[in-house]
Amino acid sequence: EGQLVESGGGLVQPGGSLRLSCVASQFNFGGHWMSWVRQAPGKGLEWVASIKSDGSDKYYVDSVKGRFTFSRDNVRNSLSLQMNSLRVEDTAVYYCARVSRYAFDPWGQGTLVTVSS
Amino acid sequence: QTVVTQEPSFSVSPGGTVTLTCGLSSGSVSTGHYASWYQQTPGQAPRTLIYTTDSRSSGVPDRFSGSILGNKAALTITGAQADDESNYYCVLYVGGGSWVFGGGTKLTVL
Repeated sequence: EGQLVESGGGLVQPGGSLRLSCVASQFNFGGHWMSWVRQAPGKGLEWVASIKSDGSDKYYVDSVKGRFTFSRDNVRNSLSLQMNSLRVEDTAVYYCARVSRYAFDPWGQGTLVTVSS
Repeated sequence: QTVVTQEPSFSVSPGGTVTLTCGLSSGSVSTGHYASWYQQTPGQAPRTLIYTTDSRSSGVPDRFSGSILGNKAALTITGAQADDESNYYCVLYVGGGSWVFGGGTKLTVL
């Protein structure tokens, strides 16, 4: 079925940077697109970014374009989300998820990013 | 900008049937949007219920079903149970490697 484990969340000041990681196991990581989805406290889910299986193309929601960079390492079965120029509105639980048949499955347990002064 | 619409809240009686919908602010939802549905309880990661409009994810009871109803994607729960009380989210693939989630429906079973 697959397993995903995120890490790297924490408290950061507005304008600061943070790097999230996600390690995958128990599935053919290099054969799948992957994504990040976030959820602000008390709010709904928001797709943030996706990356092709070979890392050749990345796609971002407009609100993070130019600030977030999504990358993957198919040898280490890992993902990274480099987040720069963070804003208060980026505060959320960030989930990594496998893209399978245009759906997100499975999901990691999430990592909380708090942007506050 | 693409906006995906869901009912903010819905209520169903135990044993009853409820249909939640997922629409577009402009235009119709088709199979080409590959609608998927997720169940989420507070503090937990989402659980995938339905993918590509009407396919049930592994381990999901058959009382959950997906379809296209009119110009929207739909999630129907037949024989609702108390532990179906959750938030339900749909997401549509809008092309160009991008997805858009609906705002979610809070389902109450009472």
